[in-house]
Amino acid sequence: NAGVMQNPRHLVRRRGQEARLRCSPMKGHSHVYWYRQLPEEGLKFMVYLQKENIIDESGMPKERFSAEFPKEGPSILRIQQVVRGDSAAYFCASSSDRLRDYGYTFGSGTRLTVV
Amino acid sequence: QKEVEQDPGPLSVPEGAIVSLNCTYSNSAFQYFMWYRQYSRKGPELLMYTYSSGNKEDGRFTAQVDKSSKYISLFIRDSQPSDSATYLCAMTASGAGSYQLTFGKGTKLSVIP
Repeated sequence: NAGVMQNPRHLVRRRGQEARLRCSPMKGHSHVYWYRQLPEEGLKFMVYLQKENIIDESGMPKERFSAEFPKEGPSILRIQQVVRGDSAAYFCASSSDRLRDYGYTFGSGTRLTVV
Repeated sequence: QKEVEQDPGPLSVPEGAIVSLNCTYSNSAFQYFMWYRQYSRKGPELLMYTYSSGNKEDGRFTAQVDKSSKYISLFIRDSQPSDSATYLCAMTASGAGSYQLTFGKGTKLSVIP
C-alpha cells in the first residue's frame, strides 16, 4: 500500500533551467494538491488538480509555473527558467473525495535547490 | 495580521513531560482543524483532524478547539524522544475551497531523554 510517491527527492538546477517534479497519488485517490514550503515558512497551497483538469491554481505564481495531471501517469509540476527564489521543498498531497473524513496524505517532497 | 499564527519555538522538554502546542487564527470561516507532524526532511503526517469545538483524544494526543476564541491546541502526554519533530497546525473553511489548507509555520519540538 504505497503512499504518495514523489520524485526526485532532491533536485539541483542552475538558474534558467527547467525543473520537473513528479507526484503519483495514493491508490484510489483522484485528487492531487501541490504545496510549497519556503525556508522558515509554512506550507503554501499552489494548485489543485483532478485527472486532466486544473481545479484551482490560485496559489501558483503567474509566470514560469505550470501543473498537469494527465489521464495516465503522475502529476507534474513544471518550473521554467528557475531562479534562486524557487529553492524550496515542494510537497504533493492526495485525497479521495472525502477530504473531510481523511484529510490529506502528503508525499516526502522534492527539495529543489537553484544554484 | 497573518491568518494563522503559530509560535515557531524551538520547544525543548524532558521525556515524560506534557507538551502544549498552540495556534491562533483570524479567519472565522475556518471550520476544520488539523495537526500534522513533520520529521526532518520528510513530508507532513496527519495526526489529528477535528471540526467541532471541544476535545478529541487519540492515544497520547488531544486536540482542542475553541472557535469562540479562534484558538486551537495539541497536547502530547508522556512525551517521547520519538515525538521530536515540527508540528504544524492547518485549517480550512467549509464549502467551496475547503481543500485549500492554511498552515501555521510550525513549532519545532525536542524531547530530551
